[in-house]
Amino acid sequence: DAGVIQSPRHEVTEMGQEVTLRCKPISGHNSLFWYRQTMMRGLELLIYFNNNVPIDDSGMPEDRFSAKMPNASFSTLKIQPSEPRDSAVYFCASSLAQGLATEAFFGQGTRLTVV
Amino acid sequence: TQLLEQSPQFLSIQEGENLTVYCNSSSVFSSLQWYRQEPGEGPVLLVTVVTGGEVKKLKRLTFQFGDARKDSSLHITAAQTGDTGLYLCAGARGYQKVTFGTGTKLQVIP
Repeated sequence: DAGVIQSPRHEVTEMGQEVTLRCKPISGHNSLFWYRQTMMRGLELLIYFNNNVPIDDSGMPEDRFSAKMPNASFSTLKIQPSEPRDSAVYFCASSLAQGLATEAFFGQGTRLTVV
Repeated sequence: TQLLEQSPQFLSIQEGENLTVYCNSSSVFSSLQWYRQEPGEGPVLLVTVVTGGEVKKLKRLTFQFGDARKDSSLHITAAQTGDTGLYLCAGARGYQKVTFGTGTKLQVIP
């Protein structure tokens, strides 16, 4: 398996523009997570899906952020409009929930810079 | 609210030294993982512990889960430069949601 695939790896955009980040989870995994990582706040969970259904979006910063998972093999995280404070590395992770142990496998991340 | 606190935040040691990183919480977790992250990459899973008091060894790395399943430690024996990275603990409640700790940045100097 190729692992979790994220695109793009790097994104530079101007403030106010729409940004869409993409993720392809590992085939067969039933949970998908979007995280944001910054120096100040570390790794923060934004939202997670189970069987394509959003379970907990309490970590989504505000209404400018939205996430979708139209099928088991694809998810998007959209920011509209983007702001400089959104600059961070965004990670997608997937897992196969089995019993008590949930092990997340991460993509390489998308480094977003909003200028 | 940060549920998992790691200490120390930063650690710089000489090659060959031993070190311990701690992960503490007031919450009970059904399982706990340790990850290592290198610059420009996503975190990579090292180990999962699920039983209170459990000890797991991975070569020079020893992981322990607290009896009450609220805390964990990672001990590295005879550190090597290849151990350099960001170490993250992550707790799972139920079997889905994973919450990450604040992280410990380790630098091993040759």
